[in-house]
Formats: sequence, C-alpha cells, structure tokens
Amino acid sequence: QQQVKQSPQSLIVQKGGIPIINCAYENTAFDYFPWYQQFPGKGPALLIAIRPDVSEKKEGRFTISFNKSAKQFSLHIMDSQPGDSATYFCAASSTGANNLFFGTGTRLTVIP
Amino acid sequence: KAGVTQTPRYLIKTRGQQVTLSCSPISGHRSVSWYQQTPGQGLQFLFEYFSETQRNKGNFPGRFSGRQFSNSRSEMNVSTLELGDSALYLCASSLGQTLGTEAFFGQGTRLTVV
Repeated sequence: QQQVKQSPQSLIVQKGGIPIINCAYENTAFDYFPWYQQFPGKGPALLIAIRPDVSEKKEGRFTISFNKSAKQFSLHIMDSQPGDSATYFCAASSTGANNLFFGTGTRLTVIP
Repeated sequence: KAGVTQTPRYLIKTRGQQVTLSCSPISGHRSVSWYQQTPGQGLQFLFEYFSETQRNKGNFPGRFSGRQFSNSRSEMNVSTLELGDSALYLCASSLGQTLGTEAFFGQGTRLTVV
C-alpha cells in the first residue's frame, strides 16, 4: 500500500508558469514532509521540508502548502525555469522511525 | 563539506552472485539509510543504521543486509542476486538524533543483474 500518494505523474508547463504537485497521506503519525528533486543520473536532493505546525513554508521559488485536516500537502514552483525540469518526490516520515515514505514522483518539464 | 559518497557507481553482476555496496556519509552524520529505486516500485526504504546499530528495516527479504562501521561508513550486501534486484541503490545520511533531520542522498550505485 502506497503510504504517500502523489499526482500528477507528469507535468508540462511553459517557462514562468507555476507547476503544482500534490501529495496525500493517511498515516496521522507522519510529522515531517520533505520534497526532493532528482535529475537523471543523480540522487534525490532535498528542496524544502515542512512540519504540521505550519500551513506554508517558502524557500526561494519553492513553496510548500500544508493542509493538516485534509492530510494533503503540495509543492508550488514560482516562475518556473527550464532548469527546473526534473522529477520531484514528496515524502513523509514520523518521529522515531527515521525512514522516509516516498510518493511515486512527478516528472516536470518546463518548456522555454 | 563533502557530500555522501557511494561506490561503485555502476555494477554488473550475474544471477546468483552476491554484491557489496559502500556508502560514506557526510562528516559528522551518524545515521545512514539505504533505499532501492526502480521504475516500477519507486523509492523504497531498505534499512537504517545509527551508531553501528540497525534501527529500522523495510520490507525486503533477508538476502538484503547491511552494517555500519564505527566511522559511520556503511555497506549493504545482497546475496543470491535475482534479476529483479536490478535497481539504483541510494544511500542517505543524516545527523540522526531525531526524526526530521535533513537526509542527504548520494548519487547511488546502479546495479544491473544479468
């Protein structure tokens, strides 16, 4: 059973657009929600992470929105650039477990 | 500060053989986790080590094992390789004292079983 559900599977936007990637979870014990960016041939790189005590976190052009009651969180990429073309993974974990449950990934393509 | 180093980057093995992969975490990080990445199953947790002790294990058969040394370097071993073990094996390191500390991944070892 997939602990974290991610959508869409793929996404194409024009340069300057705002792609949005959504994730949902069921396990209410999850209390840490990171997003990773992965380029071909590379390992995932941590982009930004959020805890349930805040509803939004922004770092540069990347914003996480978190809805605790709906058990959903999303990544917004402002002013997207061709260099943002990559696969994005959401993940979740809970205190004490120290292992990440990953979503299935979203392949983002930003067209110049 | 050097990142997470995984060796080798690529491996080709034959069914039935065994393989050992190595991971050197970021200096000062005491937790090392291993993940398997495949197109079909995505990123799946294998196990996590902290201070030479396995703290957590994913749902993989006993053919998959690991260990951590006193300098925090870690190895994972897969015995009796199967074709389905072909995957990118990723190692992640973190400070590890509490959950939610940032996990940093290496570039992975691409294992191909023929």
